[in-house]
Amino acid sequence: SQQGEEDPQALSIQEGENATMNCSYKTSINNLQWYRQNSGRGLVHLILIRSNEREKHSGRLRVTLDTSKKSSSLLITASRAADTASYFCATGPGGSYIPTFGRGTSLIVHP
Amino acid sequence: NAGVTQTPKFRVLKTGQSMTLLCAQDMNHEYMYWYRQDPGMGLRLIHYSVGEGTTAKGEVPDGYNVSRLKKQNFLLGLESAAPSQTSVYFCASSSSRNQPQHFGDGTRLSIL
Repeated sequence: SQQGEEDPQALSIQEGENATMNCSYKTSINNLQWYRQNSGRGLVHLILIRSNEREKHSGRLRVTLDTSKKSSSLLITASRAADTASYFCATGPGGSYIPTFGRGTSLIVHP
Repeated sequence: NAGVTQTPKFRVLKTGQSMTLLCAQDMNHEYMYWYRQDPGMGLRLIHYSVGEGTTAKGEVPDGYNVSRLKKQNFLLGLESAAPSQTSVYFCASSSSRNQPQHFGDGTRLSIL
């Protein structure tokens, strides 16, 4: 069973628009990670946010974490066609547990 | 920089055949993982290893075996392949449990 679940399952936008996807999880976490997967490739790590952090930026990516709501969001600003991919969150309750991945959000950015 | 390399990239098997998938990493990572990815199911952890000589079961271990004889290699074995094991298999590695994982590009396995 997945600890984290992404929402929406699919998102279709025009180039230049912002894309927001969310991740909800069930138990307390040590950190939360976001990954991207291009078609036919392995996952690539984007951002790691720790449980004591509320917001983190990396280029056009902005991640927020609300531990009281057990949720995180990934915002991609000024989307490009090259951002077309699936995005996954990975959460782990820390301790001896291995982080688990959600089912992902499929993002399509139309040129 | 090779990172994580998976061999082979594609394979077709007949039911009942056996095979071994190889994963190699050159980052001196302690942790290594095997996942399967099926449509609509996301990534599911099969087995993982926290260091050379260790292995542990993940979420879906049945029908698979693993070995980590050398730190840089993690092998996934299918002793008697079944059609339900048709999937894309990903290997990953990380320096520790909660650190970012580095993925290979997958092995696409079809079992007829």
